[in-house]
Amino acid sequence: GAVVSQHPSWVICKSGTSVKIECRSLDFQATTMFWYRQFPKQSLMLMATSNEGSKATYEQGVEKDKFLINHASLTLSTLTVTSAHPEDSSFYICSAARTSGGSSYEQYFGPGTRLTVT
Amino acid sequence: GNSVTQMEGPVTLSEEAFLTINCTYTATGYPSLFWYVQYPGEGLQLLLKATKADDKGSNKGFEATYRKETTSFHLEKGSVQVSDSAVYFCALGTYNFNKFYFGSGTKLNVKP
Repeated sequence: GAVVSQHPSWVICKSGTSVKIECRSLDFQATTMFWYRQFPKQSLMLMATSNEGSKATYEQGVEKDKFLINHASLTLSTLTVTSAHPEDSSFYICSAARTSGGSSYEQYFGPGTRLTVT
Repeated sequence: GNSVTQMEGPVTLSEEAFLTINCTYTATGYPSLFWYVQYPGEGLQLLLKATKADDKGSNKGFEATYRKETTSFHLEKGSVQVSDSAVYFCALGTYNFNKFYFGSGTKLNVKP
């Protein structure tokens, strides 16, 4: 159990267009999902925390209007990169949080989406 | 504040060698600690976790013990295999899981 999927797995788009990435928890409900960005050979950078039914909380330095996050249900969160530019090219990873007894919890990660903006 | 520090890589070992990847943390409150593994071109997979002091997480021959006195969560494996080659991330999760804090990752190369 605890599978998280992302779609698409890779996407190439032209500069100025928008791209939507979906993140789904397949076999559990996730009240909280997270969006990360990973640069080559670097660690994950948290972009935003997405809570079902409320506005996402963005990390400092992340443009809210550029990276639109919607958490419409307990199993789906979407990240839309608006007016994409080559510098937005990156590996985007989502995760879904699930409690695992008491105060314990885990994050389950999607396989990631490789975005290339030409 | 919260942060995680990992030893820099890459770490190169021969098959069947002993592995240690150091991880230390600073935290407010009582975090949970995790090790994740990332294979090339893939997302992160949870390798093991520990939720309180002195807990030992283990999986697939890997182990890590939550040491509050030294604020450490070092990853160990007695005998590595070529298939263990990947990037390993140490992470700290806050109690209310508002955030996870990741270390910089350590790349492990295991040679036959």
